[in-house]
Amino acid sequence: GNSVTQMEGPVTLSEEAFLTINCTYTATGYPSLFWYVQYPGEGLQLLLKATKADDKGSNKGFEATYRKETTSFHLEKGSVQVSDSAVYFCALILNSGGSNYKLTFGKGTLLTVNP
Amino acid sequence: DAGVTQSPTHLIKTRGQQVTLRCSPKSGHDTVSWYQQALGQGPQFIFQYYEEEERQRGNFPDRFSGHQYPNYSSELNVNALLLGDSALYLCASSLQGAGNTIYFGEGSWLTVV
Repeated sequence: GNSVTQMEGPVTLSEEAFLTINCTYTATGYPSLFWYVQYPGEGLQLLLKATKADDKGSNKGFEATYRKETTSFHLEKGSVQVSDSAVYFCALILNSGGSNYKLTFGKGTLLTVNP
Repeated sequence: DAGVTQSPTHLIKTRGQQVTLRCSPKSGHDTVSWYQQALGQGPQFIFQYYEEEERQRGNFPDRFSGHQYPNYSSELNVNALLLGDSALYLCASSLQGAGNTIYFGEGSWLTVV
């Protein structure tokens, strides 16, 4: 089956530190890959996505590159801010027959950024 | 342009009761999916509705059922509630078709006591 494994948290960083959250996947086929963010008390927001190998998704200073050879999609940011404190979810979707099917999520990584 | 809206925001139910959660998709979206997010876990897919039919289902018992209306809004029903059903229930909407972005609502917090 399909699965996503992401770095266990929690991760605590100081403001302006470099962030990496590791994510690897297992999929039968060629998935699209996503990072979603969940701020306290809120739903999920799409942070970035990549739909094919070697694509780089980017948004708000965050980046992730779809690496087919290592089945990975690690999230990075060069300089984190306190406002980045949230739970980050790596996810995949297999698009089959032209239909959107289910997102498969990792367990999430809690990031806390201290001033 | 309203995003995905869900109601109620919070509710408390007793074991054995039934609950209905509601979702209005983002304007123009025709596909609605439901996810269950237990505390400290990632969301788990329950099912997806398109053209008023259940198209795909995750590993959830028949106590979980749904409906989609002609205006694309959707309901999630859970019967015979168990303590383990306590979770955040997320509705997601999109346009049917590969590669379309999936948007989530803020969720309905269900506590079963």
